[in-house]
Amino acid sequence: AQTVTQSQPEMSVQEAETVTLSCTYDTSESNYYLFWYKQPPSRQMILVIRQEAYKQQNATENRFSVNFQKAAKSFSLKISDSQLGDTAMYFCALNSGYALNFGKGTSLLVTP
Amino acid sequence: DAGVIQSPRHEVTEMGQEVTLRCKPISGHNSLFWYRQTMMRGLELLIYFNNNVPIDDSGMPEDRFSAKMPNASFSTLKIQPSEPRDSAVYFCASSNRDIEGYTFGSGTRLTVV
Repeated sequence: AQTVTQSQPEMSVQEAETVTLSCTYDTSESNYYLFWYKQPPSRQMILVIRQEAYKQQNATENRFSVNFQKAAKSFSLKISDSQLGDTAMYFCALNSGYALNFGKGTSLLVTP
Repeated sequence: DAGVIQSPRHEVTEMGQEVTLRCKPISGHNSLFWYRQTMMRGLELLIYFNNNVPIDDSGMPEDRFSAKMPNASFSTLKIQPSEPRDSAVYFCASSNRDIEGYTFGSGTRLTVV
């Protein structure tokens, strides 16, 4: 069975600061993919960043980066220089077969 | 490309009525997924199609739910009869390669009264 756990239901950060969202997962597969999706109030699901499990190098997309710890099955998202537009739900997701399994999400509020 | 297109964006219906949700995936994507999002259960996979064939429908909650994909550019999710507990946001997503993740539509917010 695959599980994805996000232990922080809500977080808050001030504009321009850095915040890290946590995610742990469990899978018996050796090859899999991890993703972070953003869901703003518009409810659109937006892919933020992706990581292939066999790549040791952490993925980076502009202000977004991940800390992928394969042995610990941890996949955290770091948002640098937070902006008001980063306010959203963030979902961690695992694909080790054909379907994405999602965590319950972390609600991030960026304050002025 | 216009992305994954879902319709309607909002649907309000009375209990017992039939509801049909529609999805047009991205051209060239061979996998299509229907997800349901609720506060209590989060994002749940309902059904997965590959090359228009249903591969896994184990997430479909009950016989009132059915999904079809008659061709590569169109899929429907039907609920008959609808019940208040079906109220949720229903997402359609498509993909071509696992590593690219899925592209989601904007979702249909269904309210059954």
